[in-house]
Amino acid sequence: DAGVIQSPRHEVTEMGQEVTLRCKPISGHNSLFWYRQTMMRGLELLIYFNNNVPIDDSGMPEDRFSAKMPNASFSTLKIQPSEPRDSAVYFCASSLGQPYNSPLHFGNGTRLTVT
Amino acid sequence: GQQVMQIPQYQHVQEGEDFTTYCNSSTTLSNIQWYKQRPGGHPVFLIQLVKSGEVKKQKRLTFQFGEAKKNSSLHITATQTTDVGTYFCAGPLEGSARQLTFGSGTQLTVLP
Repeated sequence: DAGVIQSPRHEVTEMGQEVTLRCKPISGHNSLFWYRQTMMRGLELLIYFNNNVPIDDSGMPEDRFSAKMPNASFSTLKIQPSEPRDSAVYFCASSLGQPYNSPLHFGNGTRLTVT
Repeated sequence: GQQVMQIPQYQHVQEGEDFTTYCNSSTTLSNIQWYKQRPGGHPVFLIQLVKSGEVKKQKRLTFQFGEAKKNSSLHITATQTTDVGTYFCAGPLEGSARQLTFGSGTQLTVLP
């Protein structure tokens, strides 16, 4: 059982550059979530997809953030242009069943540093 | 707005002592989940509680869901150094697009 796979594990980039984070959910899971974790704000839900369709993107900070799920086995989170305040650990998680009462399976995360 | 609040934020205990973290919601929750995140790791699902007053045990861990389904607790008996990490509760946010909202977490340090 491969679990949720995220890449890259670490990303260091300069302010203004485009950043793309990738996620492969657990096969068969129908919901996918992108979370951001910082010391100040804790775990924040950015967006979640159900059956590849974005359901709630109210947590996406601003237009610089975008997420896609072109198929059931792949999702991306893009930041363009990146800013230092975007520095955080970004987690992808997937679940099977109702998104509000099913266990989340998290990937190892991508630690993003924007200088 | 609806929140899931967790206390304490930090807890230091001597190995062998007990530990409890509390989770409170401003509204009734249909269920509550608990996760553990080791330092440098990712959150890992521990358990889900659904019924009012429910109590579940996993070895030295005891999870409880309040009668009003607005609060929950995690109690660890006789902590070990392997218990180190941050414990999060998570409950569903009401609204047209319900999804889990995480508490701020309790960071547990176990001193040998």
